[in-house]
Amino acid sequence: AAGVIQSPRHLIKEKRETATLKCYPIPRHDTVYWYQQGPGQDPQFLISFYEKMQSDKGSIPDRFSAQQFSDYHSELNMSSLELGDSALYFCASSLGTGAYSNQPQHFGDGTRLSIL
Amino acid sequence: DAKTTQPNSMESNEEEPVHLPCNHSTISGTDYIHWYRQLPSQGPEYVIHGLTSNVNNRMASLAIAEDRKSSTLILHRATLRDAAVYYCILSNTGKLIFGQGTTLQVKP
Repeated sequence: AAGVIQSPRHLIKEKRETATLKCYPIPRHDTVYWYQQGPGQDPQFLISFYEKMQSDKGSIPDRFSAQQFSDYHSELNMSSLELGDSALYFCASSLGTGAYSNQPQHFGDGTRLSIL
Repeated sequence: DAKTTQPNSMESNEEEPVHLPCNHSTISGTDYIHWYRQLPSQGPEYVIHGLTSNVNNRMASLAIAEDRKSSTLILHRATLRDAAVYYCILSNTGKLIFGQGTTLQVKP
C-alpha cells in the first residue's frame, strides 16, 4: 500500500539559509500534520492542515510556514535557519472527518535536516 | 492538553504478553486514547486508539478502565521487532502531543 512520501530524505544547509520540505500524503487522505523531532527528543507537533486550510498550530517558529496544495501535498518552508533547527521532520497524513479528526495518522520516514 | 503518565522503561521476554500501562487522570470526556510506537530511526507508527470501550486490532489490544483514568496496551506475544518507544497520547483535536513514552526492551 502507498505510504506517506517525504522529500528530500536528507538535507544539509548552512545557517541563515532557507529550506523547503515536501510531503505527499497517502492517496485520498485530506489531512496533513508536521512534527519536529530533535536529537534525543520526542516528536513535537508543528502544524496541521485539513482540506487545504490550516486546522491547528503548535510550537512552530515564525520563521517557518507551511501550506497544503490542491493535490493535498504539503510543504514546510523554513527561513533564516538556525543550528537548533537540526532535527528530523516528520509528516503524517490521515483521512479527516473534519478539522479535528481522530483517525490514525500514518507517518512518513522523515526528512533529516542538518544545519552547519 | 491532558497529560499522561507512563513508566520510563519496561522489559519483556520474547513470545510473552506485555502490558504497558498509562495513567491519564485528567482525561476529558471527548479525549481519545491513542497509542503510537517509534522504532529506532523510524517515524512513529499507529498502534491502536479508543474512546471508552476496549479495542482489538491485529497489532494489539487496548483495555480502558471504566472511569477512563487509565488504560493498558496489550501486546499478546512480544517479538524482537516490538522493541520500541510506546507513546500513550490523549487527543480530541487530532494533533498528537508526544510525552516521554515507555521504552520497551524485548529479550530473546
